[in-house]
Amino acid sequence: GQQVMQIPQYQHVQEGEDFTTYCNSSTTLSNIQWYKQRPGGHPVFLIQLVKSGEVKKQKRLTFQFGEAKKNSSLHITATQTTDVGTYFCAGRGGATNKLIFGTGTLLAVQP
Amino acid sequence: DAGVTQSPTHLIKTRGQQVTLRCSPKSGHDTVSWYQQALGQGPQFIFQYYEEEERQRGNFPDRFSGHQFPNYSSELNVNALLLGDSALYLCASSSQGAVPGNEQFFGPGTRLTVL
Repeated sequence: GQQVMQIPQYQHVQEGEDFTTYCNSSTTLSNIQWYKQRPGGHPVFLIQLVKSGEVKKQKRLTFQFGEAKKNSSLHITATQTTDVGTYFCAGRGGATNKLIFGTGTLLAVQP
Repeated sequence: DAGVTQSPTHLIKTRGQQVTLRCSPKSGHDTVSWYQQALGQGPQFIFQYYEEEERQRGNFPDRFSGHQFPNYSSELNVNALLLGDSALYLCASSSQGAVPGNEQFFGPGTRLTVL
């Protein structure tokens, strides 16, 4: 079945450093969503990408959707302690078109 | 405007018991999806309800069943609980359920512990 993997599983950065998480799907996606989950919280929708090669920015966050629509990335510039949490990608595609969450990347930011 | 609400927040059950979890979607939303999130993992899709019918289902056994009411609220029922059912159960609502890819709003979840 469809699988969505993310790397790295965990990243520890100093405040002010940049951070990137990568998402890879085993099948072509119709769209991809990104969520942030704070420790002890629930996933919060960040953005959705639909078009091949699409790039979207939200302040310090940059999201990309690969040309083949099988991978995506989230880049955070100059991390802040408020960026702490687990970032999940969630892709929709394959025969069932179900939303499949990635394995997540836990970001720790040291002040 | 209330967001997605879930009840109860925490629940402790023993193996073999049955449990019912409840979800009220965000105002204006008509679609409810349920997810199971084990500790340290991503949410796993259980099923989605739209127009009071199960529209999609993930790889979960028949012990997991659900219902959607005319007011769009939903219930998740799990029978014959196993230790492995211990997880955070998340409800997510969206609008226009027939259209894939709409933004989902998650509720705070119900933490189920099976002893």
